[in-house]
Formats: sequence, structure tokens, C-alpha cells
Amino acid sequence: QKEVEQNSGPLSVPEGAIASLNCTYSDRGSQSFFWYRQYSGKSPELIMFIYSNGDKEDGRFTAQLNKASQYVSLLIRDSQPSDSATYLCAVNRDDKIIFGKGTRLHILP
Amino acid sequence: DVKVTQSSRYLVKRTGEKVFLECVQDMDHENMFWYRQDPGLGLRLIYFSYDVKMKEKGDIPEGYSVSREKKERFSLILESASTNQTSMYLCASSFRLSYNEQFFGPGTRLTVL
Repeated sequence: QKEVEQNSGPLSVPEGAIASLNCTYSDRGSQSFFWYRQYSGKSPELIMFIYSNGDKEDGRFTAQLNKASQYVSLLIRDSQPSDSATYLCAVNRDDKIIFGKGTRLHILP
Repeated sequence: DVKVTQSSRYLVKRTGEKVFLECVQDMDHENMFWYRQDPGLGLRLIYFSYDVKMKEKGDIPEGYSVSREKKERFSLILESASTNQTSMYLCASSFRLSYNEQFFGPGTRLTVL
């Protein structure tokens, strides 16, 4: 089993709708979870991090963590064309962070 | 704002050349990382450092070495570049290992001919 798994996409979502991105991880000891956004040709930038079970909201973004199911998700409300990017899920393993391969999100105008 | 800079955005080298990639961060972060990113393979950790003169191997250290003589600077060295090292190289820094978010530099796209 891969350490951090994401559906590669592309995930196509109409403008104004909710985009839902999912990630599963294998290490039950992981305690830190991150979502990065990466535009084509650019470097990843952090948009959300979550440490505790439940939801964390920041503007249009909500991160959800379920440690029992080893599942992290990112919801983007009122999706905009500028949200079109690759979203990387990252999880700590010991003293490192392991990245998923990312999900490509395409917001349809 | 945290700023991580890398010495070059684009670099073209020949097989067998010695290549230096430089990374500097201005936020007094303890930890610095070098990744490479390839289509279909995602981000892969090459080396990281949690203190000056300290280094740890990541998942793919073969063919690479690193140097950290000052806290703000972390260099990646390709001793003898090969075509399979053509890639996007990303440097990152963080305040603490794993529990704190990593901030990335703009990346260096290296082509080895």
C-alpha cells in the first residue's frame, strides 16, 4: 500500500460548486496533515494543515480528518477558475513529510 | 513572509558535469529539504538537514550529496550529472521537523544533456 494515496484526476467541477478532494494514508502514527496547491510550473504552496480529528475551516477551504479511517479530505466551496491546480496531500512519517502524487482539479467556467 | 530562494530557475548541463544547486531561506528555519519532482512520480525527498553541518538521507539520495555550512543555506550537489537526473528540483524549509509546514522555493528545472 502506498503511504499517501490520491486520485490523480483530473477532477472537473463547475464554477461555483463544491470541489471535494480525498487522500488516504497508511501510517497510523501520523499526526500532521497538510494540503498544498501547485499551479502548473510553480512550486507547492501550503493552503491548509490539520492535526486533530474533525473539520478545520479557512475561508472557502475546509480540511476534514478522520484518523480512524486514515482519511483526509479538502473541500473547496464556491469553486473559482483560479482554483484549477494540482492539490497535494502530505502526511508526516517520523521526522519527514510524505507527499501524495496529487489530484488535478479543473474548474469549468 | 517566509522566503526561500533558489539560485537558478533553469539550468542546462552536460553529462558528467558537477552541478551545484543553491537554496537560501531568510526565516531562521532549522530544517531544510531537497526534493525532485517528476511527472507521475510526485515529490521525492533526496536529502534533508535539521541543523548546520547535519544531513540525513531521504528516499532517493543516490547520485547526490548536500552541504549545509550556514543555517540559511543548503546546497545540493550532483557529483557527475546524468540524463536521469533531469528534473524539477525543489528546496523547502521548516521551523520544526514534520509537525510544521514546509515552505518551498520556486524550483530549478535542470536539464542534463
